[in-house]
Amino acid sequence: LAKITQPISMDSYEGQEVNITCSHNNIATNDYITWYQQFPSQGPRFIIQGYKTKVTNEVASLFIPADRKSSTLSLPRVSLSDTAVYYCLVGAFPIQGAQKLVFGQGTRLTINP
Amino acid sequence: EADIYQTPRYLVIGTGKKITLECSQTMGHDKMYWYQQDPGMELHLIHYSYGVNSTEKGDLSSESTVSRIRTEHFPLTLESARPSHTSQYLCATSNGIQYFGAGTRLSVL
Repeated sequence: LAKITQPISMDSYEGQEVNITCSHNNIATNDYITWYQQFPSQGPRFIIQGYKTKVTNEVASLFIPADRKSSTLSLPRVSLSDTAVYYCLVGAFPIQGAQKLVFGQGTRLTINP
Repeated sequence: EADIYQTPRYLVIGTGKKITLECSQTMGHDKMYWYQQDPGMELHLIHYSYGVNSTEKGDLSSESTVSRIRTEHFPLTLESARPSHTSQYLCATSNGIQYFGAGTRLSVL
């Protein structure tokens, strides 16, 4: 399983763009990169997933360089409600058997007024 | 997004009691998972299933057991609850992306 490194905590302000970078140096060829958001006392919520280059959806963008050893989650114009823990995960999606994800400690993002 | 339901949301129980945490989903996903998460800490996989009659232990040792008799149902049982079992238990399903329930916060006194 890929070793994942992401900042323990980050602070920003309402209306700013926030970029959270995740390092996954030994990512495997079949691995995808997935980001989850978790609020206190709730289950993680899927944000975005990508394999290479750039992926964008209605809530975030994911930038993955050509070597795929890192990825950056970009949250545009954050609000107070974006205060949460953000997890970067790397893993393959086997057709047979169960996909096992390993969660790290995540990045605790705090948005200030 | 998957519809996945966990009950109860909160449970306070005495030591030695048998408890079952319920998890059900309406998406027809074959793969289901149980995670344990202590406050402020990361999630640890304790059980998973890749279909009916399939159950496997996860990476974190757990005294709980699971069953998968129906696709939509994946209950977790503790035969004799102890204070060390106090934690949040999260159920998830997967079709390639894992979707999580709201969790059950268990307190064993």
